[in-house]
Amino acid sequence: NAGVMQNPRHLVRRRGQEARLRCSPMKGHSHVYWYRQLPEEGLKFMVYLQKENIIDESGMPKERFSAEFPKEGPSILRIQQVVRGDSAAYFCASSPGTGNYEQYFGPGTRLTVT
Amino acid sequence: DQQVKQNSPSLSVQEGRISILNCDYTNSMFDYFLWYKKYPAEGPTFLISISSIKDKNEDGRFTVFLNKSAKHLSLHIVPSQPGDSAVYFCAASFSGNTPLVFGKGTRLSVIA
Repeated sequence: NAGVMQNPRHLVRRRGQEARLRCSPMKGHSHVYWYRQLPEEGLKFMVYLQKENIIDESGMPKERFSAEFPKEGPSILRIQQVVRGDSAAYFCASSPGTGNYEQYFGPGTRLTVT
Repeated sequence: DQQVKQNSPSLSVQEGRISILNCDYTNSMFDYFLWYKKYPAEGPTFLISISSIKDKNEDGRFTVFLNKSAKHLSLHIVPSQPGDSAVYFCAASFSGNTPLVFGKGTRLSVIA
């Protein structure tokens, strides 16, 4: 029973480059959430997706950030033209979406922008 | 505007004693609450949850209490073990598949 998988675990990008973060949910889970954690802070919601649909993107910055969860393959969080303030830990969580509201988290991707 | 607050950044407890972690929330529409444990460089691990129709839920050494009138919940760990040393996050949501709102966490240190 594989848990939520995220890759890469660590990502270093220079300012202005693009960052792509991947998340494979737990088997049988069709709901994916992305959260960001800044140092000494709690996790902040960014976006909630189901297969091929964005359900709620109210926590995601309007510019440079996008997310998708295609019919086949992992969910992708994409950050274009990264800036130093994007440096954070990005966590993906999944849930089965049917009667069980618990979210299970992956190990996170630590993005460092130099 | 912090909707979920964990007012104690840290807590130290002796091994074998009870650890009590507290959490307050401001939005009375929240009706589902969860506790997560997090080690450095890892993702949060789900511990226990409680629906607003209950005031207590127990799972092994972990018990969560919910006081809706006070908008307060607490996590009790009995007995505390050194392996429990981690950051504990309280989270709240609305029933259904909705995003979690997290507190800033409490760092628990269990001293042998």
